[in-house]
Amino acid sequence: GNSVTQMEGPVTLSEEAFLTINCTYTATGYPSLFWYVQYPGEGLQLLLKATKADDKGSNKGFEATYRKETTSFHLEKGSVQVSDSAVYFCALRTGANSKLTFGKGITLSVRP
Amino acid sequence: EAEVAQSPRYKITEKSQAVAFWCDPISGHATLYWYRQILGQGPELLVQFQDESVVDDSQLPKDRFSAERLKGVDSTLKIQPAELGDSAMYLCASSLVGLAGPYEQYFGPGTRLTVT
Repeated sequence: GNSVTQMEGPVTLSEEAFLTINCTYTATGYPSLFWYVQYPGEGLQLLLKATKADDKGSNKGFEATYRKETTSFHLEKGSVQVSDSAVYFCALRTGANSKLTFGKGITLSVRP
Repeated sequence: EAEVAQSPRYKITEKSQAVAFWCDPISGHATLYWYRQILGQGPELLVQFQDESVVDDSQLPKDRFSAERLKGVDSTLKIQPAELGDSAMYLCASSLVGLAGPYEQYFGPGTRLTVT
């Protein structure tokens, strides 16, 4: 079956530090890959996505590249801000209209 | 900007009681999803509708959970009787449907259920 594995958290960084959050997956077929963000008290928001191998998704300074050879979709940001503090979820789906399979999520806290 | 609406935002109930959650998807979104998010974990699908039909309810505990979307618009998720292990965030999401997907799933703010 499909599964997503995220690195253990939480992660605490100082403002302007470099961020990497690891995500690997197992899937049948050719999944689309997503990063969602959940701010305190809010629902999930799509941060970025990639639908095929070697695609790079980007948004708000965050980037992730779909690596089929390593089955990975690591999230990176060159300089984090306090406002980036949230829970980040890696997810996949294997059909155009199918459900999302999520990782456990990781909490990011950014200190001023 | 259109949003997925959910109510209530918070619900506290005693075990063995019945509880219901409501979701109103973005207008025009044929697909509706109910996810359960246990604290410290990612959301897991409970049930997926396309219009008024159930597409996937393989992870729905059917002995106590039920879901309906009678007119293919808003949806209700019910738990009867509630158990302590049902304490979680219940998320509703909606999306367009079609062969040109994958279409983005838009999530509502969720209902936080606490069973005492």
